[in-house]
Amino acid sequence: KQEVTQIPAALSVPEGENLVLNCSFTDSAIYNLQWFRQDPGKGLTSLLLIQSSQREQTSGRLNASLDKSSGRSTLYIAASQPGDSATYLCAVYTNSGYALNFGKGTSLLVTP
Amino acid sequence: EAGVTQFPSHSVIEKGQTVTLRCDPISGHDNLYWYRRVMGKEIKFLLHFVKESKQDESGMPNNRFLAERTGGTYSTLKVQPAELEDSGVYFCASSHLGGTAETQYFGPGTRLLVL
Repeated sequence: KQEVTQIPAALSVPEGENLVLNCSFTDSAIYNLQWFRQDPGKGLTSLLLIQSSQREQTSGRLNASLDKSSGRSTLYIAASQPGDSATYLCAVYTNSGYALNFGKGTSLLVTP
Repeated sequence: EAGVTQFPSHSVIEKGQTVTLRCDPISGHDNLYWYRRVMGKEIKFLLHFVKESKQDESGMPNNRFLAERTGGTYSTLKVQPAELEDSGVYFCASSHLGGTAETQYFGPGTRLLVL
C-alpha cells in the first residue's frame, strides 16, 4: 500500500526566501508524481508533473525533483511571494495507473 | 474553457438523510474521478469512470455510496443513508486520455457536513 508523507506539515517564511517542501513515498514503483496547489475553498491546481523516467521539472520559480530509488521528491520555490501562500500537495500514481495517492500537504504562509 | 464544476459547494444534512453530489467534467474528458478528504486525513481516491463505465471503484468505502455516470457526461455520487463519518470534502477530477502522463483537473469540491 502506497503511503505518501509530506514534511513539514506547516511552514511560515518571510517574503523573498527560497524554500523546499519535501515528499516521500513508500513504494518506488510509481508512474509519475504530481505537485498540486490548493487555495482555501478552492480546488487543486496542478503545478508540476514528473514522469518516473524524469529527474526534475521546472515551471517559473518552481522546481520539482524526483528520486525514485529513495522514494523522495522535493518542491523548490525560489524567491517566495505572499501569493504563494497555499497548501501544497504531493501525489503519486499507483501501479494501477489512474488513482492518485496524496500526502496530507504542507500549509505554506509567506509573510510580507 | 470551463473547468470541472461541482454542485452543491456545501451541504449540511442530518445523519440518515440522503445527499447527491454532482460533478460536470471538462467537456470531452472521458475519464472522471471521485476523491474524498475527511478532516485531518489525506485526499483519498474513491472511483474512476471511463465514459459511463466504472473502471476502478476500489476506494468506495461501503455500499452506502453509489456513483453513476449515465451517458458518460456528468456524474453523481449519492450517499444513502449518510453517517457522521461521511463528513468531508468530495472532489471530482477529470482527464482526457487517462494515461499516467496526463494531469487530472480538479473541481472546487463539495463540502459535506453530516450532523
